[in-house]
Amino acid sequence: SAVISQKPSRDICQRGTSLTIQCQVDSQVTMMFWYRQQPGQSLTLIATANQGSEATYESGFVIDKFPISRPNLTFSTLTVSNMSPEDSSIYLCSVLPTSGSLETQYFGPGTRLLVL
Amino acid sequence: GENVEQHPSTLSVQEGDSAVIKCTYSDSASNYFPWYKQELGKGPQLIIDIRSNVGEKKDQRIAVTLNKTAKHFSLHITETQPEDSAVYFCAASIAGGSQGNLIFGKGTKLSVKP
Repeated sequence: SAVISQKPSRDICQRGTSLTIQCQVDSQVTMMFWYRQQPGQSLTLIATANQGSEATYESGFVIDKFPISRPNLTFSTLTVSNMSPEDSSIYLCSVLPTSGSLETQYFGPGTRLLVL
Repeated sequence: GENVEQHPSTLSVQEGDSAVIKCTYSDSASNYFPWYKQELGKGPQLIIDIRSNVGEKKDQRIAVTLNKTAKHFSLHITETQPEDSAVYFCAASIAGGSQGNLIFGKGTKLSVKP
């Protein structure tokens, strides 16, 4: 498995502002993903962070709202732009390691966001 | 696309009893089924997974069964302990899962009472 860290672990933000979340992995991984988990709900994939190219977004999520960067094989950022209270959620990054199972995703600890 | 249904949404058992959580999936092409445990304030942690070429898999007190014909899979926890209390998510994905297409169930909140 991979050791994944996220920063910040939690934040309280004002509506209309933006927050950038960082995801760092201790080893190179093939793929990195960003999920949203709304309060008391399940996980929904936002996008796949592609190294060196634009992220691939799932239906219902757009680049203008959730810009993503992945400058190398161990790091990615997700920005939540122009926030509203509806963006209050846990944001999770996950990775597919380069070794072992090609299917098993491992998750970071999450970033808990509250928008006032 | 794939849809995963998970039941029950909440489950309360006495310490030492068994707990069973069931999931059904809709896409017969799905062939990888992980289970995650999420404790309060933490990210989901993989506890066990199964692939479609296997009917059952065990790891100590945890087991998962898969019925491809009926398109359902279940998590079994025996001799439950208070530290098993958490939210459990099942998921399904199609060959390789390398496209990030893990589809999650809505979760089961398990409470184990001492």
